[in-house]
Amino acid sequence: GQQLNQSPQSMFIQEGEDVSMNCTSSSIFNTWLWYKQDPGEGPVLLIALYKAGELTSNGRLTAQFGITRKDSFLNISASIPSDVGIYFCAGTLTGNQFYFGTGTSLTVIP
Amino acid sequence: SQTIHQWPATLVQPVGSPLSLECTVEGTSNPNLYWYRQAAGRGLQLLFYSVGIGQISSEVPQNLSASRPQDRQFILSSKKLLLSDSGFYLCAWSVLGTAYGYTFGSGTRLTVV
Repeated sequence: GQQLNQSPQSMFIQEGEDVSMNCTSSSIFNTWLWYKQDPGEGPVLLIALYKAGELTSNGRLTAQFGITRKDSFLNISASIPSDVGIYFCAGTLTGNQFYFGTGTSLTVIP
Repeated sequence: SQTIHQWPATLVQPVGSPLSLECTVEGTSNPNLYWYRQAAGRGLQLLFYSVGIGQISSEVPQNLSASRPQDRQFILSSKKLLLSDSGFYLCAWSVLGTAYGYTFGSGTRLTVV
């Protein structure tokens, strides 16, 4: 199945720094989602985006639906230790099947 | 509200032994159900998905099989485990045709020794 490319693959940052990651697809989507997976747990939905150009926030997290509909971006401001985990993007054109990104592993150094 | 249950949380099995992982969903009917595998610190690999009782689609050839004996029950099985079957197994559900995404279970850590 189709897989989305996430960048960077891993990040090591100091507590308090801002984080940016992105996700790209070879085809267009109508919905983009961002998930976070805590160590040893299942991924949990953070943000959903339904319209090209849309910018949506959830606390310190902000995600954007790219205007080309082939990419999405996630920013985390003022990182804290509990932000540690793997972040996955996911996209769908019809809602019948979601394709997941390769993941960005985030480590926050206190 | 909808909930998804997955068990066991951890499992250590010898090579050649059988496997049965179970996943159940509550609070919804006719969900789409999925089994994913995740290697350590890596991405999600879709193994099987099901749109209804007895309907199973396999994404990759492998040593595993899936069954859906009831509407909200999804089982992942193997007759003889291989070392390469080790990993983190995740069950998920969704509603067909909606853009709300998947809800994942808490996962099963399988170690084949």
